Amino acid sequence: SQTIHQWPATLVQPVGSPLSLECTVEGTSNPNLYWYRQAAGRGLQLLFYSVGIGQISSEVPQNLSASRPQDRQFILSSKKLLLSDSGFYLCAWSTAGEQYFGPGTRLTVT
Amino acid sequence: KNEVEQSPQNLTAQEGEFITINCSYSVGISALHWLQQHPGGGIVSLFMLSSGKKKHGRLIATINIQEKHSSLHITASHPRDSAVYICAVIQGAQKLVFGQGTRLTINP
Repeated sequence: SQTIHQWPATLVQPVGSPLSLECTVEGTSNPNLYWYRQAAGRGLQLLFYSVGIGQISSEVPQNLSASRPQDRQFILSSKKLLLSDSGFYLCAWSTAGEQYFGPGTRLTVT
Repeated sequence: KNEVEQSPQNLTAQEGEFITINCSYSVGISALHWLQQHPGGGIVSLFMLSSGKKKHGRLIATINIQEKHSSLHITASHPRDSAVYICAVIQGAQKLVFGQGTRLTINP
């Protein structure tokens, strides 16, 4: 069966520090992968999606970046966090239109 | 104006009541999701619809493509149904555009 892992579950980082969130998927190959963010009191927003290794599409310009070094690995990064980067980050994968979400990472930038 | 609008934003009801949450969208879509988000933040997909109606247990989802409208119904609601329910439409390469969510609270 398919499983999606995200870590860490929670993270508190100071402004200006770097960020690396990792997502891995098991039980499927060549999935479409997504990073979403949910800021406090707001709806979910698509940040990045990837249809294959090394293929990243950005939906919202910001100080975040994403990479897909392996088929089932998706990484969200930042060189310098901003206060506005705080939120709940969700990784997801899809096949045939169905989307499956990871457990999420709650990031607080202080 | 958001591309996906949900109503109501908040809904409080008594256990056993019939619940309806509405979703309207203004863009062309290939399908629509209803998602459930519990207080811890985890999200599960309840339904994916491209036409008609789907039923799973006490949950029913309908979609009218011509009217660009979908509804999620919960029959015999229970406190464990308390959660945020999110409508999301699928555009293009399976990209989701989300509604703001409806916070449902079912009191015993």
